[in-house]
Amino acid sequence: ETGVTQTPRHLVMGMTNKKSLKCEQHLGHNAMYWYKQSAKKPLELMFVYNFKEQTENNSVPSRFSPECPNSSHLFLHLHTLQPEDSALYLCASSAQEDTQYFGPGTRLTVL
Amino acid sequence: AQSVTQLGSHVSVSEGALVLLRCNYSSSVPPYLFWYVQYPNQGLQLLLKYTSAATLVKGINGFEAEFKKSETSFHLTKPSAHMSDAAEYFCAVSLGDDKIIFGKGTRLHILP
Repeated sequence: ETGVTQTPRHLVMGMTNKKSLKCEQHLGHNAMYWYKQSAKKPLELMFVYNFKEQTENNSVPSRFSPECPNSSHLFLHLHTLQPEDSALYLCASSAQEDTQYFGPGTRLTVL
Repeated sequence: AQSVTQLGSHVSVSEGALVLLRCNYSSSVPPYLFWYVQYPNQGLQLLLKYTSAATLVKGINGFEAEFKKSETSFHLTKPSAHMSDAAEYFCAVSLGDDKIIFGKGTRLHILP
């Protein structure tokens, strides 16, 4: 039980589809993160939100669009993705500048 | 700039043997250091973290890591490997802000 949940756990989509990944944290944290984990590559930080404000966009292509309506919820909207975007997308949360706690991830496959 | 190097993308040990996973870091200021574990089809779980208190840090599942400033190392150890320890292990460094730099990971295989 990590306190950070992600849905869906698996997603297959075509390059023309639009889908969204959802993350919810039940830990009372104020910071939330999106990471991309690809095979044989280090974990890549994509976005950081602190108190619902985006504080980091790590040169992520615009086909990935984050949304943070409140401190407990984080979305990643996907559109016109490429096959190389297939990866495990991990959400994490933390109290201010403290340890990050991760969700189980969404395994995304782009056909 | 901070960086983390994990030596060995795959490590195999026999059940009951010592586990040693190596991590070296680079940081211009005293860092915070972490070890995370990732089991198949799961997210990352914190094993332990170093925040400049004791240099020997004890974590969950019998793991511990020692911070050695002179060697810029933070190696992870466990005296006796168990089959359930098979997973991928990530070393990470931060400056105490909201950015963590992860290593590439070491996959630990346990041989019966």
